[in-house]
Amino acid sequence: DVKVTQSSRYLVKRTGEKVFLECVQDMDHENMFWYRQDPGLGLRLIYFSYDVKMKEKGDIPEGYSVSREKKERFSLILESASTNQTSMYLCASSLNPRATEAFFGQGTRLTVV
Amino acid sequence: AQSVTQLDSQVPVFEEAPVELRCNYSSSVSVYLFWYVQYPNQGLQLLLKYLSGSTLVKGINGFEAEFNKSQTSFHLRKPSVHISDTAEYFCAGDSSASKIIFGSGTRLSIRP
Repeated sequence: DVKVTQSSRYLVKRTGEKVFLECVQDMDHENMFWYRQDPGLGLRLIYFSYDVKMKEKGDIPEGYSVSREKKERFSLILESASTNQTSMYLCASSLNPRATEAFFGQGTRLTVV
Repeated sequence: AQSVTQLDSQVPVFEEAPVELRCNYSSSVSVYLFWYVQYPNQGLQLLLKYLSGSTLVKGINGFEAEFNKSQTSFHLRKPSVHISDTAEYFCAGDSSASKIIFGSGTRLSIRP
């Protein structure tokens, strides 16, 4: 059974903290994605990676960075958390080439206070 | 700009009634189209996808969608909904850069 696992379901962090969100997939997928989900805005792509050590900015990369040192793991980093980064964060993975199904983790609900 | 538009943010229907959730895509989005469902407190899972071939695509849980190139639409339908279909539904398209672009979502609520 395919699986994308996000390390935390719920997180509460303070403004200014450095925050790490971890995602692991066990399907040997090349592509991995980080989205944030906000009511009325759907899913917005933050960053994606199509190979180890490769990354591409999505639509809203400001305030975030990513790391992909191993194929199965894709980390999202909030360099200095702010209250406007309170959101649901979803990780996904997919095979190359294009047009293949993306598999999602359960999501991490991050609250920055 | 590449975009996927879901015209309705919320759709309330009675149980056992038919439902249609609307989705339009911009011509710059490829014709690889998807519908995902998100049940409360869960991640997204694929309902169905259109890659090529027959314009009527059948998915899980009795849902189907029709690809209409002339209207740039990919509407999702179910002839008779159940309480268990209560969820948020996302239309998505595959961009030329291997990114999946999502619509803003439609919340389907089922009334008994």
